[in-house]
Amino acid sequence: GEDVEQSLFLSVREGDSSVINCTYTDSSSTYLYWYKQEPGAGLQLLTYIFSNMDMKQDQRLTVLLNKKDKHLSLRIADTQTGDSAIYFCAERAGRRALTFGSGTRLQVQP
Amino acid sequence: DTAVSQTPKYLVTQMGNDKSIKCEQNLGHDTMYWYKQDSKKFLKIMFSYNNKELIINETVPNRFSPKSPDKAHLNLHINSLELGDSAVYFCASSIAGASYEQYFGPGTRLTVT
Repeated sequence: GEDVEQSLFLSVREGDSSVINCTYTDSSSTYLYWYKQEPGAGLQLLTYIFSNMDMKQDQRLTVLLNKKDKHLSLRIADTQTGDSAIYFCAERAGRRALTFGSGTRLQVQP
Repeated sequence: DTAVSQTPKYLVTQMGNDKSIKCEQNLGHDTMYWYKQDSKKFLKIMFSYNNKELIINETVPNRFSPKSPDKAHLNLHINSLELGDSAVYFCASSIAGASYEQYFGPGTRLTVT
């Protein structure tokens, strides 16, 4: 079955770059997503990448996809305290529902 | 003008009770979902409906029954609640196809005592 894995925790200093990593097992994944969850809130879609792309940039966010290694990363430039949250990687193949990773808790130190 | 709304936000109930959680979306989407997030934040799909028809039904106890009266609503009814049902339940919606972006509701925190 599909599996998506992430490290559980990342701590960075304000102003530094954060890199959150994700690996997945399903080679037929067509879309890969990054969601952000703030405490007590629902999931907010940050960005997504189609599987035939290897990079996507959106303001402070850069997504890198290595399809050969089934590795996805999210880089947040100039990380701010407001970026502290849990970040979920998710993948989808065909019409299947999303399969989520376990989430990475990002802590930004002032 | 909330996009995806859920009621109630918090639900505390005793084992054995029956309860419902409601979800509504005003985005004009044709597909709606229920996800369960456990205490370790692991998020897993439970059900998906497209145009009021069930299209995904993961391995969920039959005590859980989704009901979609129309495209804009997907309610979750739970019979004979158990301690292990305690979790945060998220509703989401999307259009079928394209980039398949799912928009999530704020969640309903269910606590079974």
